[in-house]
Amino acid sequence: AQTVTQSQPEMSVQEAETVTLSCTYDTSESDYYLFWYKQPPSRQMILVIRQEAYKQQNATENRFSVNFQKAAKSFSLKISDSQLGDAAMYFCAYIGGETSGSRLTFGEGTQLTVNP
Amino acid sequence: EPEVTQTPSHQVTQMGQEVILRCVPISNHLYFYWYRQILGQKVEFLVSFYNNEISEKSEIFDDQFSVERPDGSNFTLKIRSTKLEDSAMYFCASREPTRYEQYFGPGTRLTVT
Repeated sequence: AQTVTQSQPEMSVQEAETVTLSCTYDTSESDYYLFWYKQPPSRQMILVIRQEAYKQQNATENRFSVNFQKAAKSFSLKISDSQLGDAAMYFCAYIGGETSGSRLTFGEGTQLTVNP
Repeated sequence: EPEVTQTPSHQVTQMGQEVILRCVPISNHLYFYWYRQILGQKVEFLVSFYNNEISEKSEIFDDQFSVERPDGSNFTLKIRSTKLEDSAMYFCASREPTRYEQYFGPGTRLTVT
């Protein structure tokens, strides 16, 4: 079974600084997708960024980018120029290709605090 | 921008009662999901639904749970006889047929007393 691990329960960053959240996963599949979701205090799950395993290029969405290391099974999220609104719980999630169903498997989450 | 909606936002029920949680997925999405999140824990998959039938379910999704798409827009999760441990946030999600990212609704907070 696939597993997703986020080893940092809490992280903090100063406003305008950069922070990196870590995620590792375990899978025997070659075709899969990885995501970062943000969960603010409202508890809404908001998609931040996605990465296809077959793409070597790291995904970028404005101030959010990933460092995808397929061989190491690592998928970290970098937030640049952190803003107060970035404060939230961040979940890393995995979904396999067609052969393994379409459920998302989530990590335990990292609570990010942004200090003014 | 289209979004997934869920009702109610908060439901309080007594142990043993039946509850129905409702979701309206994004209109061109064909895959639908229910997840739950017990307070302070990670999000857990319950069930996926495609082409009017369950395509996958987790070990959590036992006989007490059922899902239905009663019409062209709603997707419901029914819990037949609620237990205290069913207290959680329940999220509905949907996705397009050709893409893998799932879009979540705002959740229904279920409290069983």
